[in-house]
Amino acid sequence: EVQLVESGGGLVQPGGSLRLSCAGSGFTFSSYWMTWVRQAPGKGLEWVANIKEDGSEKYYADSVKGRFTVSRDNAENSLFLQMNSLTAEDTSIYYCARERPPRYWGQGTLVTVSS
Amino acid sequence: SYELTQPPSVSVSPGQTARITCSGDALPRKYAYWYQQKAGQAPVLVIYEDSKRPSGIPERFSGSSSGTMATLTISGAQVEDEGDYYCYSTDSSNNYWVFGGGTKLTVL
Repeated sequence: EVQLVESGGGLVQPGGSLRLSCAGSGFTFSSYWMTWVRQAPGKGLEWVANIKEDGSEKYYADSVKGRFTVSRDNAENSLFLQMNSLTAEDTSIYYCARERPPRYWGQGTLVTVSS
Repeated sequence: SYELTQPPSVSVSPGQTARITCSGDALPRKYAYWYQQKAGQAPVLVIYEDSKRPSGIPERFSGSSSGTMATLTISGAQVEDEGDYYCYSTDSSNNYWVFGGGTKLTVL
């Protein structure tokens, strides 16, 4: 069974940083593109970033480019999202998902940016 | 930046056919994907590559695409189909993806 479990969310002050993690299991992690998607409270889904199977290609939404960095550790079956210079507009549930476009999703982790 | 446009809401009675549209300039060349999201839950893929249905998705869900518009059709909508539906696709580069704004489906 494919499982994706996000962690690392929480409350952070504006201008701060946070690193999200996503642990994958039940599939060969290194064989799939991975995706981050977010959803602000009461709003729609927003694609955030993709990373290729071997990490050699990464793509970002304009709203996070230059502030967020996606990475992966295939030996540990893990996906990461380093988020810097956070603003209130980054407050969202962050989902990690397998494939591009996503077929399997985690349950998400909530990031709240507030003073 | 690339955009996909959906109606904010669609309402049907149980047993009727619900149609949710998604328009985008690249849809004649790029596949559309559809996700269902129920309150408090992660999204679920219900249609991929315009018209294919993943295993476990009821046959009443179907998809089509023509020109710049993709359509999700729920034939004989059930109360349990209520939720938000999002289309998803990519621009001409295949590297930048976008969701439509979402459509709230009400079945009552």
